[in-house]
Amino acid sequence: DVKVTQSSRYLVKRTGEKVFLECVQDMDHENMFWYRQDPGLGLRLIYFSYDVKMKEKGDIPEGYSVSREKKERFSLILESASTNQTSMYLCASSHPPSINYEQYFGPGTRLTVT
Amino acid sequence: LAKTTQPISMDSYEGQEVNITCSHNNIATNDYITWYQQFPSQGPRFIIQGYKTKVTNEVASLFIPADRKSSTLSLPRVSLSDTAVYYCLVGGGMDSNYQLIWGAGTKLIIKP
Repeated sequence: DVKVTQSSRYLVKRTGEKVFLECVQDMDHENMFWYRQDPGLGLRLIYFSYDVKMKEKGDIPEGYSVSREKKERFSLILESASTNQTSMYLCASSHPPSINYEQYFGPGTRLTVT
Repeated sequence: LAKTTQPISMDSYEGQEVNITCSHNNIATNDYITWYQQFPSQGPRFIIQGYKTKVTNEVASLFIPADRKSSTLSLPRVSLSDTAVYYCLVGGGMDSNYQLIWGAGTKLIIKP
């Protein structure tokens, strides 16, 4: 059974803190994605990675960075958390050749920045 | 750049067929159309994907007209467990610079 896991389901951080969100997939997928999901806005792509150490900006990369040192792990970093980054964060992975091939999602991390 | 528009909410009754339409007027030549289902406290789950005409799998059908400016997800004989949010996703093609454009989601409520 395919699986994408995220390090936390709920997280509360203070403004200005550095925040790490971890995602691990066990499907040997090349593509991995980070989204944020807000009511009425659907999913918005923050970053995606198509290979180890490779990354591409999505629609809303400002205030975020990513790291992919191993194929199975993709980390989202909030360098200095702000209240407007309070959101649901979803990680996904997919198999090539296409970026829009079926994506498998993790359960999400609900981040609250106070 | 493609933009996807779908109804905010719909409701129906058990046993009925439900059709959810997504509008994507500026879809690029290489873009695919994908639909996902999301339950509360879970990530979205892939339902179906198509490029043109009709695609059918064990849970749904996807109808795409020749101009590809819209698509309709069809759920046959829905049950209470089909209550969820349904997302339309367009993009990923070379002509749209591999962008993925998600709709805002349609909240489907199935009544007994």
